[in-house]
This record gives sequence, structure tokens and C-alpha cells, in this order.
Amino acid sequence: ETGVTQTPRHLVMGMTNKKSLKCEQHLGHNAMYWYKQSAKKPLELMFVYSLEERVENNSVPSRFSPECPNSSHLFLHLHTLQPEDSALYLCASSQDQRDTQYFGPGTRLTVL
Amino acid sequence: GQNIDQPTEMTATEGAIVQINCTYQTSGFNGLFWYQQHAGEAPTFLSYNVLDGLEEKGRFSSFLSRSKGYSYLLLKELQMKDSASYLCAVRDKDSGGYQKVTFGTGTKLQVIP
Repeated sequence: ETGVTQTPRHLVMGMTNKKSLKCEQHLGHNAMYWYKQSAKKPLELMFVYSLEERVENNSVPSRFSPECPNSSHLFLHLHTLQPEDSALYLCASSQDQRDTQYFGPGTRLTVL
Repeated sequence: GQNIDQPTEMTATEGAIVQINCTYQTSGFNGLFWYQQHAGEAPTFLSYNVLDGLEEKGRFSSFLSRSKGYSYLLLKELQMKDSASYLCAVRDKDSGGYQKVTFGTGTKLQVIP
């Protein structure tokens, strides 16, 4: 029970599809994060939103597009993904960027 | 940038003690976290160290030496449910001045009867 929820939990999509991942936190935190976790690789930070300011990892391809309409909700819009984008996508939140991050259950994404 | 090293795998016996090490190289160090992650699940927070010394929390303890760029997670009275990956994560400021947390690859611990 981390107070961070993600939907869907599993997603299978083709390379031409457009889909969105949703994250919601009920902890009153001010920072939210998207991470990618691939097999046998460390967690890779993709995007950070802190007090409505976005910080991104410059190595993230433009086919991933985040949206943070308010401090409780975070989306990751996906379009024209590649099979190598198949991974577990984790959302996390923290009070601010200096504090402990709490993770959601993740979305297991498979790109065919 | 950062370089975080931890062993890939470890095996320990139920009821025993195991120490998982993490070394790091970074500038602007501002804290070290340990997370536990069971297979197919999200990471869960275990401990946080920002000052040198030992932090104890039940069966788990975490130690930090900032001068050596070294931390360890100590698990006592191991239980089968402790079989999981243990992630070391270091927080510092990146070149843009932003706080950033970088994760190691994790240590997969297997507890055997």
C-alpha cells in the first residue's frame, strides 16, 4: 500500500498504436517521476515533475511524452514505440526531490 | 555522472546474516537509499542514509561512509521472504543543478533453507 497507483497494469501494443499510461498519487507529494526498468538493467529515470517544472533525461526518445496536469496525476503518452521499449514502467512520487520516493506497482508494457 | 557498483547476486541461508555492499562515485552527494524489489513488483523503500554511520530498523540496518563512497545493507535473521533484489540508489545534483537519484543494477539475494 504505497499510495501510488498506476493503470493499466499490463499493456500490449503494436508499433503504430498510441496509448497512455496513468499514474495517481494520494500522498500529497509535490514531485512525480517516470522510470523505465528493463531486464538486467538499473532503473532509468525518464522524467521528473516537481512543482510543475519538468526535468527530463535527454536520452529519452521523443516517442515518450509526459504530461502532468496537476501534482496528483502524471501521464506518459506513447506513440510509434519500438519492441526495445518493452519494459516495466514505474511511477514514483516524493514530497520534494530531496525526499524518499514511493513507487507504484508499474505497468508491464509489451510492444509487438 | 555517477558510478554505482553492487554485486549481481548473493545466496545466504535462512536465519543467517548477509551484508550487501554498494560503492559509488559521485560529486554533490546528498543521500543514499536502499530499496527492496520482489520479482515482478515495484521497489519499496527500506532505508536512507545521508550522514556517516549505521541506521538500524528492525532486522535491516544500513551503513554509510561518505569518505569511502561506500554503503552496506545488513539483513539479520534471514527469512525466505527476504529473497528479492536490493537496489542501492544515490542522490546528488546533476550538471544542471537538479537533484537526481541514480539506481544501481541491484543485488539479487536468494535465501535458501
